[in-house]
Amino acid sequence: NAGVMQNPRHLVRRRGQEARLRCSPMKGHSHVYWYRQLPEEGLKFMVYLQKENIIDESGMPKERFSAEFPKEGPSILRIQQVVRGDSAAYFCASSPAGGSMNTIYFGEGSWLTVV
Amino acid sequence: QQQVKQSPQSLIVQKGGISIINCAYENTAFDYFPWYQQFPGKGPALLIAIRPDVSEKKEGRFTISFNKSAKQFSLHIMDSQPGDSATYFCAARTLGEAYKYIFGTGTRLKVLA
Repeated sequence: NAGVMQNPRHLVRRRGQEARLRCSPMKGHSHVYWYRQLPEEGLKFMVYLQKENIIDESGMPKERFSAEFPKEGPSILRIQQVVRGDSAAYFCASSPAGGSMNTIYFGEGSWLTVV
Repeated sequence: QQQVKQSPQSLIVQKGGISIINCAYENTAFDYFPWYQQFPGKGPALLIAIRPDVSEKKEGRFTISFNKSAKQFSLHIMDSQPGDSATYFCAARTLGEAYKYIFGTGTRLKVLA
């Protein structure tokens, strides 16, 4: 499967724990995006990364959330000290370049449940 | 101004009928309008997309109609099938922030057999 790979698909965390969500972009894609989908809502942009660079994190909560896309390995979205309101589906997407001609392709998501 | 308003929230259509989902926007800087289809437990998949210099785009049973002056666009699904039952999201983005899609809130479509 050459699509965007996300894991874990489902994650349960207790309040106060850390959640780490991983995303491997499509082959040949160097741009990664994270979106969050709350129940019964559309997707909301969180962050845009290129290898070793955060390009735009304007959609990320200022506290507890961080993202990285290292030179080697998958992109990681980290949520520290999770709260119930963090329960959502987190989707990663990728594209070969950030220009206007390219569509982004989504993975199947990671569903985080905070209990 | 960054919102995309989508309606209806849910839609039930008989098999063979036409499904119509509407979206409206305010930001005239939006330059690309995709529609995504999402099945339960899956990620959104690109269905069809249009740019504002075109009034209509058709791909198979799916058609986007675009009204630039009214700042509205719609998805028409002809000959709707039970397999089309899914949630549909419209989206928009600007040239300057081509990576930042603004999504509508989704329409849950159910096509009755």
